Amino acid sequence: EDQVTQSPEALRLQEGESSSLNCSYTVSGLRGLFWYRQDPGKGPEFLFTLYSAGEEKEKERLKATLTKKESFLHITAPKPEDSATYLCAVQTNTGGFKTIFGAGTRLFVKA
Amino acid sequence: EAGVTQSPTHLIKTRGQQVTLRCSPISGHTSVYWYQQALGLGLQFLLWYDEGEERNRGNFPPRFSGRQFPNYSSELNVNALELEDSALYLCASSPGSYTEAFFGQGTRLTVV
Repeated sequence: EDQVTQSPEALRLQEGESSSLNCSYTVSGLRGLFWYRQDPGKGPEFLFTLYSAGEEKEKERLKATLTKKESFLHITAPKPEDSATYLCAVQTNTGGFKTIFGAGTRLFVKA
Repeated sequence: EAGVTQSPTHLIKTRGQQVTLRCSPISGHTSVYWYQQALGLGLQFLLWYDEGEERNRGNFPPRFSGRQFPNYSSELNVNALELEDSALYLCASSPGSYTEAFFGQGTRLTVV
């Protein structure tokens, strides 16, 4: 069964304390992996798309990487405004085109 | 450039009623997706429309339905509302199937 698991469920950091969020997946026929940021009560905001193992994307304090089994979202020197839920989604075409979202990691950055 | 717009932003309905939610995609995007996000839960895929056709649907009962219009805007209809239908309903659009999708701000539906 296709599955996307994100860890940890919640992460509390001090401002400036770098860390990584994990997204592991078991799907056949990966077509793409996406990272989103979601603020409470709002729609997810697109961050990155990764298509193949070894690929990396960066934006400000965020860097996303992809292997054959998982993806990491590295946050360098986070600020309180980085506090949000980070969602990982995997797109597959096996058994019909679909996008599967993980449950997300809630990030809290304290000043 | 305007993003994905959804209306209304908030809605309160009584159990058993019917509701219609609306979504306008980003200009040039032909695919529209609908998701349900219940409080504290992840995004659950509802429906995918592309070029006016329903391409796929998630594990939801038939009382969840929708359509896509020639201008690529979309409606989500929910009949015979139940209390557990209370959720944030999100619409997203993309220029094609295998690309990232961009989300609207959602419609918060409360069923009482």
